[in-house]
Amino acid sequence: GAVVSQHPSRVICKSGTSVKIECRSLDFQATTMFWYRQFPKKSLMLMATSNEGSKATYEQGVEKDKFLINHASLTLSTLTVTSAHPEDSSFYICSASPPGLEGNEQFFGPGTRLTVL
Amino acid sequence: QKEVEQNSGPLSVPEGAIASLNCTYSDRGSQSFFWYRQYSGKSPELIMSIYSNGDKEDGRFTAQLNKASQYVSLLIRDSQPSDSATYLCAVNGGTALIFGKGTTLSVSS
Repeated sequence: GAVVSQHPSRVICKSGTSVKIECRSLDFQATTMFWYRQFPKKSLMLMATSNEGSKATYEQGVEKDKFLINHASLTLSTLTVTSAHPEDSSFYICSASPPGLEGNEQFFGPGTRLTVL
Repeated sequence: QKEVEQNSGPLSVPEGAIASLNCTYSDRGSQSFFWYRQYSGKSPELIMSIYSNGDKEDGRFTAQLNKASQYVSLLIRDSQPSDSATYLCAVNGGTALIFGKGTTLSVSS
C-alpha cells in the first residue's frame, strides 16, 4: 500500500503559539491531500481538502484563518494551527490517494497528537 | 447531504466467532466503498475495498455490497482479540471519502 508520513507524531505547546504539522506522500505524488481531526472517542472529522498549487477547500465550520493549509509540492502538505488554544488539542490526521486507483482509496498518515497547555 | 450510517456498538463477540459489521449510505450514485480499521490512539488503516455488488474475500475478511439496498457489510471470521478496534465504513463522495462514525468491536478471549 501507499505510504503517508506525518511529522511530528506528538507536540505539546503553550496556548497562543502556532504549530505546523507536515504530511508527506513517500512513494507517490498527491495533487490532493485531506486533513482530519479526531477528538477522543469521537468520529473522524474532515477539516479541509488540500490542493497542490491552489487554495485549500475548507469544510463548513472550520476557520481557514486558524488552520492554514499549504500544499506546495506534490508530496507535501502542511497544516498550521495558529494561535493554538486548549480546545484545539486533538488528533490530527492527513490522508492521500495515489493516482490511478480504481476507487480513490485513501491512505492515512500515522497522525499527530496536539496538546495545547 | 450524503451520509454514512453505522451502529456505534460496542459489538461484542467471543474469540473464534464471526463478527458482522454493517453500514448504510444515502447516495445511490456511490461507486466505491471501503472498510478501515482504527485501533485506539492510531490512525485508520484500509482493510477492504469493494466496488461491485456481491462479496469480496480477503483472508478472514469478507466485504459485502448491495447497491440496491445501499448497504455494505464486513464479516470477520474466526475473530481474534487483536481484531478489537473501531471499524469505519467509508463511501466515495466525490473527491473526499465520507466516513461513518464507526463501530467498536470487542473480541473476548
